[in-house]
Parts: sequence; structure tokens; C-alpha cells
Amino acid sequence: GQQLNQSPQSMFIQEGEDVSMNCTSSSIFNTWLWYKQDPGEGPVLLIALYKAGELTSNGRLTAQFGITRKDSFLNISASIPSDVGIYFCAGPISNAGGTSYGKLTFGQGTILTVHP
Amino acid sequence: DTGVSQNPRHKITKRGQNVTFRCDPISEHNRLYWYRQTLGQGPEFLTYFQNEAQLEKSRLLSDRFSAERPKGSFSTLEIQRTEQGDSAMYLCASSPASGYTFGSGTRLTVV
Repeated sequence: GQQLNQSPQSMFIQEGEDVSMNCTSSSIFNTWLWYKQDPGEGPVLLIALYKAGELTSNGRLTAQFGITRKDSFLNISASIPSDVGIYFCAGPISNAGGTSYGKLTFGQGTILTVHP
Repeated sequence: DTGVSQNPRHKITKRGQNVTFRCDPISEHNRLYWYRQTLGQGPEFLTYFQNEAQLEKSRLLSDRFSAERPKGSFSTLEIQRTEQGDSAMYLCASSPASGYTFGSGTRLTVV
């Protein structure tokens, strides 16, 4: 099915370290999205990827759309305490009739903890 | 209008009671979505509105759940006869044609 698997489930790092997390699926996705969620808040879009092989940056964040279209990676360089949160990958899913309506499926998240 | 607004932020209710949540989307956004998020999981799609029309409902949306968007602006999500398994964060998102903005959610606790 169109499920997304994220790894690792959690990460504990020191401030200043680089972080890498990934997201895989058994299905092909045409769009990959990366969100960050702070406690008690809704997810906020970090990076959107629309083309296989695409590498996109947003400040210290870099994400890549895998060539097979079945995976994506998010890297955070020089982590800071405010990077703490849960990072989700997401992709659009279709109903049985093939219509998407823009609805998304999310991975289970990677919890990031940054020690000062 | 700076974002998607959801009310209340928190709701504690006794099992069996009905609850209603409200979502005010970004005013020019015609698409509105409801998601449910349980602890340790990502959000799961519940239902989608384009203007006032409810175009899709997930199988997660049992017959105890109903959502409306009467004038194509704000939306309500009602849960009747709440059960402990309904405890979750209920997230609303709105979108023009593509690209979501999520609200901060309503945290429901059923005791």
C-alpha cells in the first residue's frame, strides 16, 4: 500500500552535529514532502520535492527525491536546539478511482532531540 | 487572516458525550481537510471539502463522525457518543490548489 516508513524513529544528537533521516515506500510517489511538528502544534512544511533526483535546500535543510521515486532523504546541517521536534515525510495518495484531492499519507515520524 | 485557526485547542469529555470542533481556514483557500493524529503516529486523513462539498471520506470516519462546511468557509467536525479510542489530536488544513497550511489542532481526551 501507500505507506511511508521513516528511520530512525528517534535521534539524540549534540548541537552542531549534522542529522540525516530517510523515508521509504513500497509504492512510487510523484511528490515528497517534509514537515516538522513542534509539541502541541500542527505540522509545518519544510521542503517539497516534485522530481525524481531533485535536491532542494531550505537554509540548513537539504532534501532529496530518490531516483526510484520510492524514497526521500532529509539532512539537517549544524543542528541547533530549535531543530528539536518531530519530522514527518508525506506524499499524496489517491483513492480507488485514482483521484487524489491533495490528501496526504504521512510516515510515523522521526523524533529529534538536540542537546546543547 | 494569518493562518488556520482551530477551536478549542483542548477538549476533555466523558465517554458517551458529543463534541464539536471548529476550523477556520485561510479565507481564500477553497480546499479543507481534516486529519487525526494519535500519539507516536503521523496524521491520518479523515475527510476533504472543496468549497462546501464534502468530496471524500476515509474509512476512519465512522458513522459517529460528521463534518460540515456549510458556506464553504469554516468547517465543523462532530463526534457523537465519544469513545476512549477517539482520543487524539484533530488537525485541520486548508489549501488553495496545492500546498497545505495546518492549524494547531484540537487535542481531544475522552475519559
